[in-house]
Amino acid sequence: KAGVTQTPRYLIKTRGQQVTLSCSPISGHRSVSWYQQTPGQGLQFLFEYFSETQRNKGNFPGRFSGRQFSNSRSEMNVSTLELGDSALYLCASSPQGNWIRGNTEAFFGQGTRLTVV
Amino acid sequence: AQKITQTQPGMFVQEKEAVTLDCTYDTSDQSYGLFWYKQPSSGEMIFLIYQGSYDEQNATEGRYSLNFQKARKSANLVISASQLGDSAMYFCAMREGPQGAQKLVFGQGTRLTINP
Repeated sequence: KAGVTQTPRYLIKTRGQQVTLSCSPISGHRSVSWYQQTPGQGLQFLFEYFSETQRNKGNFPGRFSGRQFSNSRSEMNVSTLELGDSALYLCASSPQGNWIRGNTEAFFGQGTRLTVV
Repeated sequence: AQKITQTQPGMFVQEKEAVTLDCTYDTSDQSYGLFWYKQPSSGEMIFLIYQGSYDEQNATEGRYSLNFQKARKSANLVISASQLGDSAMYFCAMREGPQGAQKLVFGQGTRLTINP
C-alpha cells in the first residue's frame, strides 16, 4: 500500500509569487490535513479537508488556501509569498471513523520544503 | 484550547539505555487522543504510539510504551534499549475537535541523540 505522497519535495520561490503544493493520500483515506513546520512556531495546523469540503481551519491568513478533489488528492496554495512562509509543509491522511474509542491515526508524507527568497 | 508541553528541548542518552521523553497536556475535553511521532532529519513524521483517553491500560508498541497518567495530564514516551537509529526529533501531539475531525496540536518537540 503506497504511503502519502507530497510533491514537489523542494521548492524555491520569490517573494510575492504564489505556490501550489500537492498531496496524494493513502488509497481509501478521505481526510487530508495540512501542517506548517517552522523553527520558530513549530508545527501548526493549517486546514483539513474531508470529502472535498474544508472541515477545519487553523489560524492562518487568507493567503493560505486549499482544496480537495473527488479522488481525495489535495492541493494547498499560498499566494503573495512572504519570507516567513519558508517552512516544511506536511500533509497527513486519515481514514474516516469515530476516533473516540479507537485510533484513526494520521499518516504523514515526507513534506515539501518551501524556501522563499 | 488544548496545549501540549514538552519541557526537554534536547536529550543525550547512551546506546542501549532506556529513555523517557516528557509530555504534559491541557484539555477540558473528556475524550481525546494522544500521539507520539518521530521525525528524522528527512522530515517525515513517523507514527510511534497512540493512547486514547478511555484506554485503561498504557499503550505499548514494541520498544515504545506510553506512561499515561490521566490525573496528572501526562503522557510520557518510554523507549527501551535505545538504538543509534532512534536519534531524531520526537513530538507529542493531541487530537482536537469533534469525532472524525483530524486536527493535531503538537508540542515543541524533544531532540533525542543516542551516543554509541
